[in-house]
Amino acid sequence: DARVTQTPRHKVTEMGQEVTMRCQPILGHNTVFWYRQTMMQGLELLAYFRNRAPLDDSGMPKDRFSAEMPDATLATLKIQPSEPRDSAVYFCASGPGGDRATYNEQFFGPGTRLTVL
Amino acid sequence: AQSVAQPEDQVNVAEGNPLTVKCTYSVSGNPYLFWYVQYPNRGLQFLLKYITGDNLVKGSYGFEAEFNKSQTSFHLKKPSALVSDSALYFCAVNGYGQNFVFGPGTRLSVLP
Repeated sequence: DARVTQTPRHKVTEMGQEVTMRCQPILGHNTVFWYRQTMMQGLELLAYFRNRAPLDDSGMPKDRFSAEMPDATLATLKIQPSEPRDSAVYFCASGPGGDRATYNEQFFGPGTRLTVL
Repeated sequence: AQSVAQPEDQVNVAEGNPLTVKCTYSVSGNPYLFWYVQYPNRGLQFLLKYITGDNLVKGSYGFEAEFNKSQTSFHLKKPSALVSDSALYFCAVNGYGQNFVFGPGTRLSVLP
């Protein structure tokens, strides 16, 4: 049963520390998305990759957030330095992409719950 | 720009009764519409989608959704609700060449 995996599942850190979240997309999927979910803002798209290239990261605070795909099996989201307002659940999702990218569903990981004290 | 509205924050329904979770959208061109469900402490799970064809789409767990182009709506329905259907439901739209836009979510509570 193919699924998106995310590590860690929970992270508690202090303000100013670096946080790295990892995602393994479903094998064969070439689109990867990072979302942030909070009670106040709901689900926000942070970044979007296709074939490991960033296509849209306009939703991401550029001064402290960075997203990369070092290879096809790993996507990372880093926050440096972290702030209390970054506390949220961060989801990674992947999709088959290709010519049918627009109408293929996304498959979500279980999320990383980040708490910044 | 594309957008999705879910006019109800919360929907309560008695077990065994039909349920409807509403969604309206705005997109240029043909809409591709999706419903997802989120259970507590879990990621979103895909329920169903409308791409083209029959306006009534059937999905997982007995859910279905009706696409109405004139009303720009894509309401989620189920003939008989179960307590286990209680969760957060998200509608999403994707216009060609654009990214997914998710609605704010509707919390469904099915009362025994």
